[in-house]
Amino acid sequence: DQQVKQNSPSLSVQEGRISILNCDYTNSMFDYFLWYKKYPAEGPTFLISISSIKDKNEDGRFTVFLNKSAKHLSLHIVPSQPGDSAVYFCAASGLSTGANSKLTFGKGITLSVRP
Amino acid sequence: KAGVTQTPRYLIKTRGQQVTLSCSPISGHRSVSWYQQTPGQGLQFLFEYFSETQRNKGNFPGRFSGRQFSNSRSEMNVSTLELGDSALYLCASSDNRVTGELFFGEGSRLTVL
Repeated sequence: DQQVKQNSPSLSVQEGRISILNCDYTNSMFDYFLWYKKYPAEGPTFLISISSIKDKNEDGRFTVFLNKSAKHLSLHIVPSQPGDSAVYFCAASGLSTGANSKLTFGKGITLSVRP
Repeated sequence: KAGVTQTPRYLIKTRGQQVTLSCSPISGHRSVSWYQQTPGQGLQFLFEYFSETQRNKGNFPGRFSGRQFSNSRSEMNVSTLELGDSALYLCASSDNRVTGELFFGEGSRLTVL
C-alpha cells in the first residue's frame, strides 16, 4: 500500500516557467513533509519541508503548499531553471510518533527543464 | 564538514551470497538510517539506528540486518542474496533534532546475478 503517492512520473517545463510537482498521502498520522531532489549517481538532498501546522513554506524559488483536508501537497519552483532537472521525491514522517527519521517516500517525479 | 560516506560504491554478487555495506555518518550525527531504492518502488525504509540501538524497522525480511558501532558508523548486511535485492542502498544520517532532515550518502549500488 503506497502511503505517499506521486502519480505523475515525469514533468517537462520551459525554463523560466513554473514547475508544480504534486504529492498525495493517505496516512493521517503523517505530520511532517519533506521534498528531496536527486541527481543521477548522487544521494538525495533535502530541499524544503513543511509541518502540518502550516499550509505554506517558502525558501527562495521553492514553495511547498500543504492541504491537510485533501491530504495533498505540492512543490512550486518559480522560475524553473535547467539545473533543476532532477528526480524529486516527496516524503512524509510522523513526528508525533517519534519516528522523525523514518521517512516514507513517494516513487519520485522526473523534472526536465527545457532551455 | 565531511558528508555521509558509503562503501563500497558498486558491487556485484551472485544469488545466495551475502553482502555487507558500510556507512560513516556526518560527524556528530548519532542517527543512521538505511533505505533501498529500486526503479519500481522508490525509496523504502529499511531500519534506523541511534546510539547503537535499532530504533525503527521497515517491512523487510530478516535477511536484512544492520548494526551501529559506538562511533556511530553503521553496517547493513544482506544474507542469502536474491535477484530482487539488486538496488541502490542509501544511508542517511541525522542530528536527531525533532525536525532534522536526513543527509544522504551517494549510495552503494548492488547487483545480484
